[in-house]
Amino acid sequence: NAGVTQTPKFQVLKTGQSMTLQCAQDMNHNSMYWYRQDPGMGLRLIYYSASEGTTDKGEVPNGYNVSRLNKREFSLRLESAAPSQTSVYFCASSEARGYQPQHFGDGTRLSIL
Amino acid sequence: ILNVEQSPQSLHVQEGDSTNFTCSFPSSNFYALHWYRWETAKSPEALFVMTLNGDEKKKGRISATLNTKEGYSYLYIKGSQPEDSATYLCAFNSGNTPLVFGKGTRLSVIA
Repeated sequence: NAGVTQTPKFQVLKTGQSMTLQCAQDMNHNSMYWYRQDPGMGLRLIYYSASEGTTDKGEVPNGYNVSRLNKREFSLRLESAAPSQTSVYFCASSEARGYQPQHFGDGTRLSIL
Repeated sequence: ILNVEQSPQSLHVQEGDSTNFTCSFPSSNFYALHWYRWETAKSPEALFVMTLNGDEKKKGRISATLNTKEGYSYLYIKGSQPEDSATYLCAFNSGNTPLVFGKGTRLSVIA
């Protein structure tokens, strides 16, 4: 029972490099989310996709792009990584946006030097 | 940006103690209030989703209450155990916006 799968689990990048974080869910959920977690800041929403074919900005979208490839997959891209993007990134999914719980992946720990 | 406040930021309790903490959220445009449990080095796991004023939910030794009119929810843990040590997050939803998370209450239960 996989749930939400994120890859990679760890990554180190140099400033200016690009990379894509992958997320896939097998629960047939409509909505998917990308968060970042920084010390003392809690979980902050980067982008979300309420349904296949739609994406919207969250609280901290600058420096990121997303693609909802299909109902299962939602990727997060850093085009030109900056040290300020060093964080733990969580992908989550839910059946509907508000009143169903979100299910989280195990996170990707990203360090940018 | 909606503001969700949790207090205290952290607390330490002895094994066997009961404890509670608070989540405050806007009292207007309420749709749902979520509680999550987040153990270190793991991912958040849903505890409760509450939608009705006066709701009470329970899972084992953990329970939660909801007051949407005054904009707060309490999470209670009865007879704390070391395995309850975690960060407890609440998140508010107003229906037409995504969840807004508080910064969490970090609980340490000392054996």
